[in-house]
Amino acid sequence: GDSVTQMEGPVTLSEEAFLTINCTYTATGYPSLFWYVQYPGEGLQLLLKATKADDKGSNKGFEATYRKETTSFHLEKGSVQVSDSAVYFCALSQASGGSYIPTFGRGTSLIVHP
Amino acid sequence: KAGVTQTPRYLIKTRGQQVTLSCSPISGHRSVSWYQQTPGQGLQFLFEYFSETQRNKGNFPGRFSGRQFSNSRSEMNVSTLELGDSALYLCASNPGFYNEQFFGPGTRLTVL
Repeated sequence: GDSVTQMEGPVTLSEEAFLTINCTYTATGYPSLFWYVQYPGEGLQLLLKATKADDKGSNKGFEATYRKETTSFHLEKGSVQVSDSAVYFCALSQASGGSYIPTFGRGTSLIVHP
Repeated sequence: KAGVTQTPRYLIKTRGQQVTLSCSPISGHRSVSWYQQTPGQGLQFLFEYFSETQRNKGNFPGRFSGRQFSNSRSEMNVSTLELGDSALYLCASNPGFYNEQFFGPGTRLTVL
């Protein structure tokens, strides 16, 4: 079945440092890829997405590029802020009987220090 | 539009009891999914309802059940609670044939 593997955390950075969180996937077909973020005490919210190969998703300074050849969707940000501290989930989904039930990675905790 | 709402936000139960959690999706959304989030297992899919019918089901025992009403609101029920059922239960909605999920804040269930 489909699966998503992302780097284990926590990732600890100083403010203004460069962030990379690695994500690779295994899937049949052509899934859409997502990054969701979960702030403390909240549910998940979509950060960015890409629906086909070579698409780049971007939002709030975060970026990720859908790389079909390496089955990867790494999350990057050039300069993190303390407010970016959260848990980040990589996910994929593809249609199955009209549904798009996502498969999530285990999540990567990001801690940003001032 | 108001987001996905879940009630209650926190629950404490004892082993053997049952619990019902409620989810109100975004207006116009017909699909509601439920997930269990634990530190050990991560995010696991429970089930999805679409137009009052269960459309997909994850790999959970029959103690976990759900339903959806004609206004798309959904409930999930867990019977005969076990300690291992302690988790954050997340509800998500989407319009129906859409690849993005909109999550609620979750219900934190603690089983003592």
